[in-house]
Amino acid sequence: QQQVRQSPQSLTVWEGETAILNCSYEDSTFDYFPWYRLFPGESPALLIAIRPVSNKKEDGRFTIFFNKREKKLSLHITDSQPGDSATYFCAASASSGSWQLIFGSGTQLTVMP
Amino acid sequence: GPKVLQIPSHQIIDMGQMVTLNCDPVSNHLYFYWYKQILGQQMEFLVNFYNGKVMEKSKLFKDQFSVERPDGSYFTLKIQPTALEDSAVYFCASSLELSAETLYFGSGTRLTVL
Repeated sequence: QQQVRQSPQSLTVWEGETAILNCSYEDSTFDYFPWYRLFPGESPALLIAIRPVSNKKEDGRFTIFFNKREKKLSLHITDSQPGDSATYFCAASASSGSWQLIFGSGTQLTVMP
Repeated sequence: GPKVLQIPSHQIIDMGQMVTLNCDPVSNHLYFYWYKQILGQQMEFLVNFYNGKVMEKSKLFKDQFSVERPDGSYFTLKIQPTALEDSAVYFCASSLELSAETLYFGSGTRLTVL
């Protein structure tokens, strides 16, 4: 059973559009939700993260919207650029109990010029 | 920013052989991790390591797997013997604290077992 689910598996948008990547989770003890970005051949890098005390976290063109009741979150990338083309992983962890970072299966984003 | 280096980037071996994957973690980090990603799937936790010992391991960390960091050098993942299902990308990570918030990942070693 996957604890962190992502959709869609792949997404194509045009340059300048907003890309919306979705994530949901099972475990209500999760209290830290980072998004990692992976370019081919490079390291997964932390992009932005949120804790459930907030329902929104913004960093430049990247915004996380968080719905604790529904156990859902989404990453919005506004004014998408071809350089944003990558695989985006949603992850979750709990500060109590096991610290482990649980990853979703990723969304492959392609931004067409 | 801090870099975790993994050597080699690709490795191809025959089933049944031994393989060692090497990781050079961030210099002042104390906790070390391995994750496994089968193509198109999520990265899954294998093991973490601190002060010369395995702290936690998942059910993916089979008896054929072992980790060590002799004399503060490379943090290694050894698989002996390898099986076809071990084909995957293995990501190393390190952190200063035992916290999901401070993980730095390497770029992975793609292992192909024939």
